Amino acid sequence: DGGITQSPKYLFRKEGQNVTLSCEQNLNHDAMYWYRQDPGQGLRLIYYSQIVNDFQKGDIAEGYSVSREKKESFPLTVTSAQKNPTAFYLCASSIAGNSPLHFGNGTRLTVT
Amino acid sequence: AQSVTQPDIHITVSEGASLELRCNYSYGATPYLFWYVQSPGQGLQLLLKYFSGDTLVQGIKGFEAEFKRSQSSFNLRKPSVHWSDAAEYFCAVLSNDYKLSFGAGTTVTVRA
Repeated sequence: DGGITQSPKYLFRKEGQNVTLSCEQNLNHDAMYWYRQDPGQGLRLIYYSQIVNDFQKGDIAEGYSVSREKKESFPLTVTSAQKNPTAFYLCASSIAGNSPLHFGNGTRLTVT
Repeated sequence: AQSVTQPDIHITVSEGASLELRCNYSYGATPYLFWYVQSPGQGLQLLLKYFSGDTLVQGIKGFEAEFKRSQSSFNLRKPSVHWSDAAEYFCAVLSNDYKLSFGAGTTVTVRA
């Protein structure tokens, strides 16, 4: 079955550590996205990529980094510079920039 | 910049009753609009989308939405709610640089 896989579902880290969230898709989609979800704030765009080896900052990119070396993979690194990293992180993909997004089931990151 | 407002944070509705969720958008050009639904701890699922044409769009699970340009609204409706419709609902607008902006969401509780 085609879809988006985010792993792990739950992730715990100590403050000051970098952590990488995995996102893999087998939908052959060109575009991929990372969103952060906090209660009462909806989803906020962190980074997005329309094509391999290219990505753009979203609205809240500070403290995050991404890479897009392969079409099917778009890992997100939460660095120690991110002041409030505890959140639910959602990865999504779409066929093209103006197509509906397909979402993974998310990774809940807790930093203590 | 585009933005989306969902005025209702939480709505409670009886099973079998009708449901309407409000969405107002701010966008200079003709908007691409979406409604997504999210069950707890899961990713988002697309309910329906509006790109152009007929202003009343039909979606999955018996939902529909009406685009009203004069009111900058894209309200979601369902004639008869089922207990399985309890979830969080997000309205979103796509900008011309392919960034999808979400509202803060409306949580729907269904009482028996």
